[in-house]
This record gives sequence, structure tokens and C-alpha cells, in this order.
Amino acid sequence: GAGVSQSPSNKVTEKGKDVELRCDPISGHTALYWYRQRLGQGLEFLIYFQGNSAPDKSGLPSDRFSAERTGESVSTLTIQRTQQEDSAVYLCASSMPLAGGLNEQFFGPGTRLTVL
Amino acid sequence: RKEVEQDPGPFNVPEGATVAFNCTYSNSASQSFFWYRQDCRKEPKLLMSVYSSGNEDGRFTAQLNRASQYISLLIRDSKLSDSATYLCVVILTTGNQFYFGTGTSLTVIP
Repeated sequence: GAGVSQSPSNKVTEKGKDVELRCDPISGHTALYWYRQRLGQGLEFLIYFQGNSAPDKSGLPSDRFSAERTGESVSTLTIQRTQQEDSAVYLCASSMPLAGGLNEQFFGPGTRLTVL
Repeated sequence: RKEVEQDPGPFNVPEGATVAFNCTYSNSASQSFFWYRQDCRKEPKLLMSVYSSGNEDGRFTAQLNRASQYISLLIRDSKLSDSATYLCVVILTTGNQFYFGTGTSLTVIP
């Protein structure tokens, strides 16, 4: 079946511009995560959505970052007034939580953001 | 202190070698453990879950030591195709987060 998809695959923008990144999770997966991965670094948790519950935004680095999810489908991550330090690969993952625990995450191919 | 710590390597080993990676975690409330593999400029993919009793999948063996709070991954008879970054992942009994280590880089040399 279809995996997690993300768009665009690459985005080059100028400092100060806003960008919007999109994630389409695997159908039926109620949990959705956004991560940031800078070059040569590990994954940095940004935000987590689970069904209709309030999202866990504890990983968002500043108020320039926000994310939304429509029901249990598409999610968008918005970065306002981009800075050069925002340059990274932004990865989305979806998961179907098991009773009593969390299950494997399936990752999308990521969006490579470059802020000039 | 980071939730998960890994030796970043790099590990450069010849084909056919056995190599082991360790990953330590700080929170004793950690519930579930995984190893993910990430190829260069690709997304992470699940390699294997780590069970309390240890588990094996072909050339790969994962072990968990709760007393010392570490997990390990052993790769036997290394292949060129094993070259990648290996990420350990920990999930706490509370909360929603998957905590990823920064990864250990492996290069298998012909």
C-alpha cells in the first residue's frame, strides 16, 4: 500500500519568507509526528498528533513553528519568517498505536528545506 | 541529559566482520525499544524491535539490559549493504514521544 508521502521534496526559500510543508500519512494511522534533522545530526522531535486529542507541541523550537492536522489525515507544518538555522530535512512519520503502547513509525521521504 | 545516547562512530569494518553497537537510555520508565536504519539522505526505516529476552533476525541480534539501561545491536558477517546509520529508539511508559539516538555510522569495507 501507499506509504507516507511528503511535499515538496525540496524547498529553497529566502530568509524571512514563510514556508508550508505537507505530510500525507498512511491511511488509518491515527498518530502523526514531525521531526527535524539537521545535516549529520539526529532526529529532533517537533510535534505529535493523535486522533482528536490536543497535539503535543513540546518540541516546537519557537513560535515561528506551527502545525495543523485535519482529522486523521493530512498535516501541514508551517515555518514563519524562516531563518538560516531552519535549514534541515523535515521528516513526517505516522503510526498506528497499539493498545497500551506505541507501535512502529513509518517515515516519509522528508522535505529538504534550504533557507538562503 | 539526553534520553538516549549512542556512540556516533564511525565504525569502519571489513566485509564478514562482526560489529556491535550499544545505546544507553536515561529513563528507567522506558517501555519499548527499537533499532532503525537510515541510509544516506534517506528516511529512517525500522530494522527490528528489541524484546526483553533478546531477539534475532538473520544476521542481526538485538538485546536489552534493563538493569544497566542499554540496548545493543550485533551484526554478524557484515555485508557492504549494511553500511548505514543505525538509530536506537526508546519509548517511555508515559508520554507520546519516540526518543531517537543521534545514530551510529557504519561503513563496511570490501
